[in-house]
This record gives sequence, C-alpha cells and structure tokens, in this order.
Amino acid sequence: QKEVEQNSGPLSVPEGAIASLNCTYSDRGSQSFFWYRQYSGKSPELIMSIYSNGDKEDGRFTAQLNKASQYVSLLIRDSQPSDSATYLCAVKAGSAGNMLTFGGGTRLMVKP
Amino acid sequence: GAGVSQSPSNKVTEKGKDVELRCDPISGHTALYWYRQSLGQGLEFLIYFQGNSAPDKSGLPSDRFSAERTGGSVSTLTIQRTQQEDSAVYLCASSLAQQETQYFGPGTRLLVL
Repeated sequence: QKEVEQNSGPLSVPEGAIASLNCTYSDRGSQSFFWYRQYSGKSPELIMSIYSNGDKEDGRFTAQLNKASQYVSLLIRDSQPSDSATYLCAVKAGSAGNMLTFGGGTRLMVKP
Repeated sequence: GAGVSQSPSNKVTEKGKDVELRCDPISGHTALYWYRQSLGQGLEFLIYFQGNSAPDKSGLPSDRFSAERTGGSVSTLTIQRTQQEDSAVYLCASSLAQQETQYFGPGTRLLVL
C-alpha cells in the first residue's frame, strides 16, 4: 500500500467549474500537508500548505484537512484552462526528517 | 531572489558511465533535498542535508548513488556505473531550517542509453 494515494485521473472539468482533488495518507502521525502543481516538463510549484484540521483558503484555492480520516483535499474554484496540470499531494511524516512523501499526482484538465 | 538552480538541465550518458548532477539552493536555505521522478512514477525521496548534520541517506536506491554538500551550500549527486533504470528527472529542493516549505529547482533530465 502506497503511503500517499491519489487518483491519477485525468479529472476533466469545464471552465468555471469547481475541481476537487483528493488525497489519502497512511501515516497517522503526519503533521504537514502540501499541494504542488506540476506542469508538463516543469518542476513542482507549491500551491498550498495546511497543518490543522479544517479549511484553508488562498484565492481560488481551498485546502481541506481531516486528520481523523487521514484525508486532504484541494478545491479549485472557477477553474481555468491554465489550471490544467498534475497536482501532487505531499505529506511530511510525523517521525524525524523533513523529507516529503508524494502521491502519484492527479492530472487535471480544464476544458474551455 | 534567485531560486534553486540545477545543472546540467539535460544529460545523456551511456550505461556504465558515472554522472554528476549539481544543485545550488536558494541563498540562506540550510536544508537541501534530492528527489527523483521517473516516467509514470511519483516523486521519490533520495537524500536530505540539514546544516552540518549527517545527511539522511535513507532514500538512496543503491550504493551507486551518493551525494555531498560542500560548505553548506552547493550539492552534487553522483551516480556511478549508471543503469538504464536510472533514467529519470532528478529534482533538488531547498528550505529554510525552521520552515517546511520546499522549493524545487528545474531538475536535471538524465537519460541512460
């Protein structure tokens, strides 16, 4: 079982819709959670970080964390074609070390 | 300010040759990480440096892989006797010591023929 799971997609949404990206993780001691966006052929770019249960909003992006369910999600409101990319969920383990464990990514396609 | 830089951007080598990949972190960032992203695979942690502490090498896939960080700044990842399965994008990231947000460089695309 992978430590961080994401649906590989592609997730296809029409322009202007809400895109919902989901991630589950296995290490119950995990403390920090990140969403990165990766365009094809480019390196990952940080979108959001979240550390506490609940919602965190930044512009069109909202991260949601539920530690009891070991679940983190990213909502993108008013999706734009420029949002089309692979979204990577990353988790920092509760044990020592700052390395991130990444999910396989969800490919999002926003159609005009 | 300048972001994480990596060189070369692309590297093609023959099986059995050694390669060196370089990472220059963001100025002032004391933590440096190497990851690998293979086609169809997620990002895989390789090694982590934090200040003057001994590096965390728990992610290195074999003893053909090694890395060093000189002067607490630039890091070099060395792959000896390269194999075709080493073909991947090698990504470097850095962060401030007390913060967890990692910033990635553009990566080095390695192709082993």
